[in-house]
Amino acid sequence: EAGVAQSPRYKIIEKRQSVAFWCNPISGHATLYWYQQILGQGPKLLIQFQNNGVVDDSQLPKDRFSAERLKGVDSTLKIQPAKLEDSAVYLCASSPVRGLTDTQYFGPGTRLTVL
Amino acid sequence: AQSVTQLDSQVPVFEEAPVELRCNYSSSVSVYLFWYVQYPNQGLQLLLKYLSGSTLVKGINGFEAEFNKSQTSFHLRKPSVHISDTAEYFCAVTSTGNQFYFGTGTSLTVIP
Repeated sequence: EAGVAQSPRYKIIEKRQSVAFWCNPISGHATLYWYQQILGQGPKLLIQFQNNGVVDDSQLPKDRFSAERLKGVDSTLKIQPAKLEDSAVYLCASSPVRGLTDTQYFGPGTRLTVL
Repeated sequence: AQSVTQLDSQVPVFEEAPVELRCNYSSSVSVYLFWYVQYPNQGLQLLLKYLSGSTLVKGINGFEAEFNKSQTSFHLRKPSVHISDTAEYFCAVTSTGNQFYFGTGTSLTVIP
């Protein structure tokens, strides 16, 4: 079974530029999560999708971050414009159904450096 | 909102020695607790989870954790560690009406 795929693995941009990350969850998984992990901190949930609908985006900085999951499969997270404090690893995870007790399966992450 | 505190940011331990990684959470009526591990250059993967029932939970790779409601703790233990256990360990909590919260992580280094 293929795992959660993310690309790119690394990205370096200058502040005020735009960037997009892509995630392809495990086949058949209904729920998709995007996390931000700043160096030295635990992952922070940015947004959670159930199929192609948003379940929780309370911690997504909506003035600069956006995410979509068209067709309920893969997803894109965008930052526009980027700030220095956006430097982090962006993790994508998926789970079979939307339940608090679900195991989440994580991708390898995208490491973003904003200069 | 829930919160999770991992009291030790780094834990060095000699090979074959026992280890305990500490985790405390903010109190809630009913919580679900998780330990995830991140090996170098890999994504996070689930070690174990407590949902209900027995307070002693066994996970993969010989790890176990004990849910202690009175102390709001969920410490992770292994009786004898191996070099391959060197990794970052994250405690996480959620409950009904709340989202998923991770701790800041504990870096376990096993010394040969």
